[in-house]
Amino acid sequence: DAGVIQSPRHEVTEMGQEVTLRCKPISGHDYLFWYRQTMMRGLELLIYFNNNVPIDDSGMPEDRFSAKMPNASFSTLKIQPSEPRDSAVYFCASRTGYPPNQPQHFGDGTRLSIL
Amino acid sequence: GDSVTQMEGPVTLSEEAFLTINCTYTATGYPSLFWYVQYPGEGLQLLLKATKADDKGSNKGFEATYRKETTSFHLEKGSVQVSDSAVYFCALRINTGNQFYFGTGTSLTVIP
Repeated sequence: DAGVIQSPRHEVTEMGQEVTLRCKPISGHDYLFWYRQTMMRGLELLIYFNNNVPIDDSGMPEDRFSAKMPNASFSTLKIQPSEPRDSAVYFCASRTGYPPNQPQHFGDGTRLSIL
Repeated sequence: GDSVTQMEGPVTLSEEAFLTINCTYTATGYPSLFWYVQYPGEGLQLLLKATKADDKGSNKGFEATYRKETTSFHLEKGSVQVSDSAVYFCALRINTGNQFYFGTGTSLTVIP
């Protein structure tokens, strides 16, 4: 079975540019999560969706960050304009809401470097 | 609030040594508890889980027991291998909610 698929795996861009990260959740999963991982702050939840609807975006650091889920099989996380402090590994995860107590399944992440 | 605290690393062990990574939690409801493992360059993978008090999760020689009296979910393995070198994350999910709360991760290096 295909897992959570993220693209690109690596992204290097200059400060001020727009960055778009993509995620395809596992088919049938109705929850999708975006995380950011840094050495300093560990793993932080940015936003999560249920049935394509954003439920909690309190972890989104600034208005420069936005996330969308136009359909059940695709989500994007966009940073505009990007800054060096946005450099991190961004993970997407998904899970099913039923049966209960199901774990999240993670993608391999996008390593983002902002120069 | 709900949170997870796990022991800080890095941890370095010799092959075949005994491993314990401590994890304690604070929860307002009735949590399910998880251990995830992250190998270099990869995403997090579920290692094991326990959904109620006194449950023991186990996988690949790793074990953790859900201890409600001590609010703990310590990860143990009797004999580690070089291939166990990774970062280990403890996490909880309140059964009435949807959000996972992760610990900061503990880096383990096993040397031959």
